[in-house]
Amino acid sequence: DVVLTQTPLSLPVTLGQPASISCRSSQGLVHSNGNTYLHWFQQRPGQSPRRLIYQVSNRDSGVPDRFSGSGSGTDFTLKISRVEAEDVGVYYCMQGTHWVTFGQGTKVEIK
Amino acid sequence: EVQLMESGGGLVQPGGSLRLSCGVSGFTFSRNWMTWVRQVPRKGLEWVANIKDDGSEEYYVESVKGRFTISRDNAKSSLYLQMNSLRVEDTALYYCATGGTHDLGYWGQGTLVTVSS
Repeated sequence: DVVLTQTPLSLPVTLGQPASISCRSSQGLVHSNGNTYLHWFQQRPGQSPRRLIYQVSNRDSGVPDRFSGSGSGTDFTLKISRVEAEDVGVYYCMQGTHWVTFGQGTKVEIK
Repeated sequence: EVQLMESGGGLVQPGGSLRLSCGVSGFTFSRNWMTWVRQVPRKGLEWVANIKDDGSEEYYVESVKGRFTISRDNAKSSLYLQMNSLRVEDTALYYCATGGTHDLGYWGQGTLVTVSS
């Protein structure tokens, strides 16, 4: 199975400051069709996961542009340019290139 | 607006059975793979099973093979998960989600399954 390792697991941030989450894969995530199926999800307290970013860097409809995704191969990053109170929650990376696996999650909280 | 609504969770004894359902609206159900994902409370996410748009292919995580069966009714835009021989370790919040192996675009709110004596 492909293992996704997220760092850090806990991320206290100051409102208005940037935040960055890393997701490292145990295998390359480029599919034979050329696509890279690495996505990012946000799970706010008491809610179900919501996809923010699909295929590395594409923002879903309605997702604020302070969220961005980047990376390639085995290393991927989710960045929040200026953290807002509504961004509190757990963030997961997910790969869909080799079946489906998720990272352990990164808890974002306000300092 | 895409909406998914799970139901059927509850408390069951080890060895028991449950059938989860997921109703979908605002989405072309019959043309898309569907997936079940579970989450142990306050823990991470685990893919459980998925099914092709026409129901001709099904895949399962190793730990549920032979015990769980995923199915769908395209006429009713509904997804199901029959869970037999339940174990304590199957206790989780079960989500249905749109998509197959490549991506999971929309998720329901989940239904809680508790396996305990």
